[in-house]
Amino acid sequence: DTGVSQDPRHKITKRGQNVTFRCDPISEHNRLYWYRQTLGQGPEFLTYFQNEAQLEKSRLLSDRFSAERPKGSFSTLEIQRTEQGDSAMYLCASSLGLAGAYEQYFGPGTRLTVT
Amino acid sequence: GENVEQHPSTLSVQEGDSAVIKCTYSDSASNYFPWYKQELGKRPQLIIDIRSNVGEKKDQRIAVTLNKTAKHFSLHITETQPEDSAVYFCAASMGGATNKLIFGTGTLLAVQP
Repeated sequence: DTGVSQDPRHKITKRGQNVTFRCDPISEHNRLYWYRQTLGQGPEFLTYFQNEAQLEKSRLLSDRFSAERPKGSFSTLEIQRTEQGDSAMYLCASSLGLAGAYEQYFGPGTRLTVT
Repeated sequence: GENVEQHPSTLSVQEGDSAVIKCTYSDSASNYFPWYKQELGKRPQLIIDIRSNVGEKKDQRIAVTLNKTAKHFSLHITETQPEDSAVYFCAASMGGATNKLIFGTGTLLAVQP
């Protein structure tokens, strides 16, 4: 499968614990995005990487959230001291990044449940 | 900031009928408008998109129209089939450096056999 992959697919954690998710973009895609989707809503933008540089973060992304893309390939999203309001589907998307190549392709998501 | 409104929230049609979903965006600088189909428990799948320099685009049974003056864009599905049943999301982006997508709230389409 050469599409965007995410791991784990499901995560159940207790409030206050830290969690980390991984995203592997489509090979050669240099743009990587994280979105969050809650039930009945469209995805909401969280943060964006161009290669290894994190170029934009949403105001939705509190200080408890941190994302990295150390070598410009896979990315990780960490949530510290999880809260029940963090329960959502976390989606990763990648894009080729060439001029005019705007298409974003999504991974299957990581569903986080905070108990 | 950018806002995208989507209507209707639910749509039920008979197999073979057409379905139309409409979106309105707020930022006139938006220049890229994709549509995603999301089946239950699955990833959003890009089905068609349109750029601001084009008024209409077709791909088999799916078409998208864009009215930049009114800041409206619509998805048209003809000859609907039961496998078209899903949640459809519109989105808007200003392209450029970030190209982050601002999504609508989704339309649950049910095609009755």
